[in-house]
Amino acid sequence: ETGVTQTPRHLVMGMTNKKSLKCEQHLGHNAMYWYKQSAKKPLELMFVYNFKEQTENNSVPSRFSPECPNSSHLFLHLHTLQPEDSALYLCASSQDGGGVNYGYTFGSGTRLTVV
Amino acid sequence: LAKTTQPISMDSYEGQEVNITCSHNNIATNDYITWYQQFPSQGPRFIIQGYKTKVTNEVASLFIPADRKSSTLSLPRVSLSDTAVYYCLVGDPKAAGNKLTFGGGTRVLVKP
Repeated sequence: ETGVTQTPRHLVMGMTNKKSLKCEQHLGHNAMYWYKQSAKKPLELMFVYNFKEQTENNSVPSRFSPECPNSSHLFLHLHTLQPEDSALYLCASSQDGGGVNYGYTFGSGTRLTVV
Repeated sequence: LAKTTQPISMDSYEGQEVNITCSHNNIATNDYITWYQQFPSQGPRFIIQGYKTKVTNEVASLFIPADRKSSTLSLPRVSLSDTAVYYCLVGDPKAAGNKLTFGGGTRVLVKP
C-alpha cells in the first residue's frame, strides 16, 4: 500500500452505464490528481485539485466528471464512455508546493474496460 | 516545464549496473530532477530526487553534472524485479500548482 487507495481495481462497464472511481489518501496531502494511462502511451494529466478546488482540467471530455468533497477523497464519475476510454486511471496526491523532498504518491490504479 | 529526453528502452542482465541518462537542456534554476519507477498495471513510484552533484539512497544513485543539462539514474546490481519503466521529470517542487508531466520513460528489461 502506498497510502493512496483506489477502488475498484478493475471495472468493466457498458457505454450507457454510470460508474464512479474512488480515491482516498490519508497522507495529509493537500493536492490530488487524476491521470489516464492508455496502452503504450505516457500518463496524461486529467484533473488537478488543490485544497478541494479544481485548478486544472486538461480539456477532458465532459463524460468524465471529477469531485473532491474534501482533501482526502477524490472521485471520478463516468457516464456514456467510449471504448477508447479504456485505460488505467491513476490517482495521485502530493503536498503542493511544499519542501524539497516533494513527490507524488500514486495509487495502484483502476483498470477500466468499456465494452 | 523543462522537456526531458531519455532512451525508449534498455536491456540488462541480473547483477549488472544500469545507467539511464536523461537530457534536460532547458532546466531552470529552481528545477529539481526527479525519477519515478512504474511496474505494469501500477502507479509510478518515487525513486529519487536531486538538484546537483550526487544523491544516493537505498534504491539508486542520481548523478547530476555541474551544468545540470542532463542527469543519470544508476541502479546497482539489478534483479529481475527491477524490470519497469523509469521516468525522468524536471520541475520546481516549491512552485504553487506544480504538476508532474510524464514523458514516455525508459523501459528497462532485466534478463536472467
